[in-house]
Amino acid sequence: QSVLTQPPSVSAAPGQKVTISCSGSSSNIGNNYVYWYQQLPGTAPKVLIYDNHKRPSGIPDRFSGSKSGTSATLGITGLQTGDEADYYCGTWDSSLSAGVFGTGTKVTVL
Amino acid sequence: QVTLRESGPALVKPTQTLTLTCTFSGFSLNTSGMCVSWIRQPPGKALEWLALIDWDDDKYYSTSLKTRLTISKDTSKNQVVLTMTNMDPVDTATYYCARPYASSCQGIDSWGRGTLVTVSS
Repeated sequence: QSVLTQPPSVSAAPGQKVTISCSGSSSNIGNNYVYWYQQLPGTAPKVLIYDNHKRPSGIPDRFSGSKSGTSATLGITGLQTGDEADYYCGTWDSSLSAGVFGTGTKVTVL
Repeated sequence: QVTLRESGPALVKPTQTLTLTCTFSGFSLNTSGMCVSWIRQPPGKALEWLALIDWDDDKYYSTSLKTRLTISKDTSKNQVVLTMTNMDPVDTATYYCARPYASSCQGIDSWGRGTLVTVSS
């Protein structure tokens, strides 16, 4: 049902970097802002990145977002065990006139 | 400080109608640019966007669930209500109320804690 495609999982050792891709189309990512959310086990999601690349106050600069065409990327540097979570991208789809989320990516710290 | 809290039945029977209420504080749906969304997440699965209502009473729905969903607001009570008809076991999920970023009504900047709804006879 998800309109946006993400890799199911990524992993890296502590201190390393991971990137998570989010692929969409011109009706969603291509023409709207992208948001990234972190969902720790058993909790509600929390916004990490808004408007493609901006970080809310309190979010460390280890987290970064970018967008190019119909794809977006979340980067996490200096990976920590506390970063183990599910990550979702989201945006608006102008053709559907509805919000859409990605398929979700589980980050594992080795 | 923005807070949102979902309330409703934890268990519904197949074919019944689910009614969920979101009670929020820290903002007003009378304010231009404000919106409230509903999002759900089946156990172990991805987030699914359901519906949105804005300050001007415009309503938007998931295309796959549009025929079953109704979203409404009561600005005097700071509440948004979501109804979903003809519930099925596949609708078992945690249902979240959330506030999108103002003016664009895109993205989510604040989430409720969610309420688990189980559909079972």
